[in-house]
Amino acid sequence: DGGITQSPKYLFRKEGQNVTLSCEQNLNHDAMYWYRQDPGQGLRLIYYSQIVNDFQKGDIAEGYSVSREKKESFPLTVTSAQKNPTAFYLCATAGGGAGQPQHFGDGTRLSIL
Amino acid sequence: AQSVAQPEDQVNVAEGNPLTVKCTYSVSGNPYLFWYVQYPNRGLQFLLKYITGDNLVKGSYGFEAEFNKSQTSFHLKKPSALVSDSALYFCAVRDIAGNTPLVFGKGTRLSVIA
Repeated sequence: DGGITQSPKYLFRKEGQNVTLSCEQNLNHDAMYWYRQDPGQGLRLIYYSQIVNDFQKGDIAEGYSVSREKKESFPLTVTSAQKNPTAFYLCATAGGGAGQPQHFGDGTRLSIL
Repeated sequence: AQSVAQPEDQVNVAEGNPLTVKCTYSVSGNPYLFWYVQYPNRGLQFLLKYITGDNLVKGSYGFEAEFNKSQTSFHLKKPSALVSDSALYFCAVRDIAGNTPLVFGKGTRLSVIA
């Protein structure tokens, strides 16, 4: 079954702790993206990667880090430097040219204990 | 720079009535435009896109959107709303000149009342 898998569905972070959100895809898409969603603010781009071993900062990269060692995987680490990490995090992929839509996973909701 | 505006945070419509969710965009060149729908605690689902050609685009679940270049708009429409259409709707844009991430509007919450 093709798609994008985000795990875990819910995640809790203690103060000063780093946490990693997983995003795996079997769509064979080159591009992968991480967005943060807060109520009333829409989607804001954190990081994106258009090819393995390369990634770019988005609009709100501070306090986050990523890696892209495999085409299928694009994990996001929320570091202790991110002071307000409570949000819904969405991973997306895109294949083909600029006219192709992005496809989204079902998200991870991160909360602070 | 690319941007999208969804001027209404909330749209309420009675079941069976037509619905419109508004979107205007700004790009330096020509746009690729997209509509997505989001249900609670789920990811975004793609509804339709405008690439080129006919200004009226048909998509999933009976939705359609009209591209208007002079007004830089791409409003989402449906002739007869269903209660199950109640959700959060996002408009997104990308300039055709670059394969950059989509830029999303802030979303419009649609409530269809029985």
